[in-house]
Amino acid sequence: GAVVSQHPSRVICKSGTSVKIECRSLDFQATTMFWYRQFPKQSLMLMATSNEGSKATYEQGVEKDKFLINHASLTLSTLTVTSAHPEDSSFYICSATSSSSYNEQFFGPGTRLTVL
Amino acid sequence: DQQVKQNSPSLSVQEGRISILNCDYTNSMFDYFLWYKKYPAEGPTFLISISSIKDKNEDGRFTVFLNKSAKHLSLHIVPSQPGDSAVYFCAASETSYDKVIFGPGTSLSVIP
Repeated sequence: GAVVSQHPSRVICKSGTSVKIECRSLDFQATTMFWYRQFPKQSLMLMATSNEGSKATYEQGVEKDKFLINHASLTLSTLTVTSAHPEDSSFYICSATSSSSYNEQFFGPGTRLTVL
Repeated sequence: DQQVKQNSPSLSVQEGRISILNCDYTNSMFDYFLWYKKYPAEGPTFLISISSIKDKNEDGRFTVFLNKSAKHLSLHIVPSQPGDSAVYFCAASETSYDKVIFGPGTSLSVIP
């Protein structure tokens, strides 16, 4: 199947700093990428949907100025958590699809963010 | 308001027996349903799906049943194997072009 990678897999940062997480589709061109957040023992919550070359569409309640998403190419999307706070600590997962069908998503392995 | 519910956070099953994972949903507009499997420190992987025009879809050891009137679906794994131990997410969308809503997951442990 299609492979999606994320980097880094784990990051620890100080409160107030910014952290960038990369999501890459390794063997296909991703027209659409999704960013999810998962709290312990909870569901995957969709944060935003990004299409290559256009601005991301954020879900209700997600601060677009805090969670900056860039989808500059068909194989790379980045999520930058700006001015991180301890409550931003979470597991962030991206997914990608080359199809117009959002059901054919391939997920990355996730990034564990811990903000001290 | 949780649109996709998995009321059992965990389930233990003996190897070789049937595992039944349940999922309920509240949005009657959901038309497409998926199950994902997730191992620790990995992203979810797609397992099986079903559209609302069907009530059953089978793929090897995995079968998904859909009861639209009850807004309920279930995933059957038979026979269960230790490698099936993982968290299983039920998910749904209104169409294949809409965002996918995930349930909270059920952690399955298959005991050898």
